[in-house]
Amino acid sequence: GQNIDQPTEMTATEGAIVQINCTYQTSGFNGLFWYQQHAGEAPTFLSYNVLDGLEEKGRFSSFLSRSKGYSYLLLKELQMKDSASYLCAVRDYAVDGSSNTGKLIFGQGTTLQVKP
Amino acid sequence: DVKVTQSSRYLVKRTGEKVFLECVQDMDHENMFWYRQDPGLGLRLIYFSYDVKMKEKGDIPEGYSVSREKKERFSLILESASTNQTSMYLCASRSGTQQFFGPGTRLTVL
Repeated sequence: GQNIDQPTEMTATEGAIVQINCTYQTSGFNGLFWYQQHAGEAPTFLSYNVLDGLEEKGRFSSFLSRSKGYSYLLLKELQMKDSASYLCAVRDYAVDGSSNTGKLIFGQGTTLQVKP
Repeated sequence: DVKVTQSSRYLVKRTGEKVFLECVQDMDHENMFWYRQDPGLGLRLIYFSYDVKMKEKGDIPEGYSVSREKKERFSLILESASTNQTSMYLCASRSGTQQFFGPGTRLTVL
């Protein structure tokens, strides 16, 4: 079966560092994505990992361990505007093996509240 | 900038009505998707399409159908709306790695 787990809610303080974990069990794996979604808005792309290791992009970093079925999103120097939901998604392989048609499977999302 | 647009931000319909949700993308993407998003359930894939006139069922296709007559347009159809289809509907398009979402349509079925 397909299963992606992330914590439902997290709270952190402005200026701090927060790590949002994601574990997955999927029948296929062709990349892991993190999206940010502010209330009432569409999800926006944050990061993509397909190989093990850390990908850094400004204040945001994402880590992947394929053998453990585990990823995390690290947010540094938290700002109030980082209050949002963070969605973890895994792309599986399409039936015909074409990576271009693999669909994304989303976790429930983690709602992060940043407090002053 | 990639733009994915949806025909309505808010929609109110009555049980039994036929509902059309339209999605248009301007980047010549081959892959397009329809999701619904509900509290506690996250984003769930309804249908997707990887080419004109091609469609594949997602995880929750029951009660829905889709149409892709042109590459840029992907329509979601509720043949007979029911109250359990009240939800936020998100369209997305993709080429390569990145998937871009539209602003969403909040549908209420009374």
